[in-house]
Amino acid sequence: SQQGEEDPQALSIQEGENATMNCSYKTSINNLQWYRQNSGRGLVHLILIRSNEREKHSGRLRVTLDTSKKSSSLLITASRAADTASYFCATDLSSNYKLTFGKGTLLTVNP
Amino acid sequence: DGGITQSPKYLFRKEGQNVTLSCEQNLNHDAMYWYRQDPGQGLRLIYYSQIVNDFQKGDIAEGYSVSREKKESFPLTVTSAQKNPTAFYLCASSQRTGGFTGELFFGEGSRLTVL
Repeated sequence: SQQGEEDPQALSIQEGENATMNCSYKTSINNLQWYRQNSGRGLVHLILIRSNEREKHSGRLRVTLDTSKKSSSLLITASRAADTASYFCATDLSSNYKLTFGKGTLLTVNP
Repeated sequence: DGGITQSPKYLFRKEGQNVTLSCEQNLNHDAMYWYRQDPGQGLRLIYYSQIVNDFQKGDIAEGYSVSREKKESFPLTVTSAQKNPTAFYLCASSQRTGGFTGELFFGEGSRLTVL
């Protein structure tokens, strides 16, 4: 079964609005990463948050991590049509040296 | 330009044929990975390699084989034993770091269709 599960599966918003995606996981992690995938393309790394961090920012992205709830959220502020893509969380389990991906959230930003 | 190159981008195969997908990286990364993606699904790990001449099975290794003879190359063979090989295949690499998996760099993928 998937280690990470994103919620919602799909999200449609207007340009300028904020988009929030959530990720839940099941076991202890070293870190959690968020990736973006445009249709038919490879994944692009967005941000990595370690298990001892609670919040991280990168440009219009804000990621939070709550290890007690085993969950993370990705916030994209002031969204643009170019943000339309699928967003995946991936967890790095302790002593595993591999990432386990969720099924992703499909974000559509309407102009 | 550093990066990961996958080829071919599109591949058609007849049932019963083996096919090999190429993955080359010039990032000097030790670790390389193969993932499979089905429509509307996440990525599932097929094989991964942390160092040359060594690799491990992922979650769905049956019907696939790999080799890691060179640091920069990690080819994936989809054998006739793979029951449902039609999928999008993604190769990735990362730098080995002490105790955790860092950022993965992905290729643009290879789409395999079985006719």
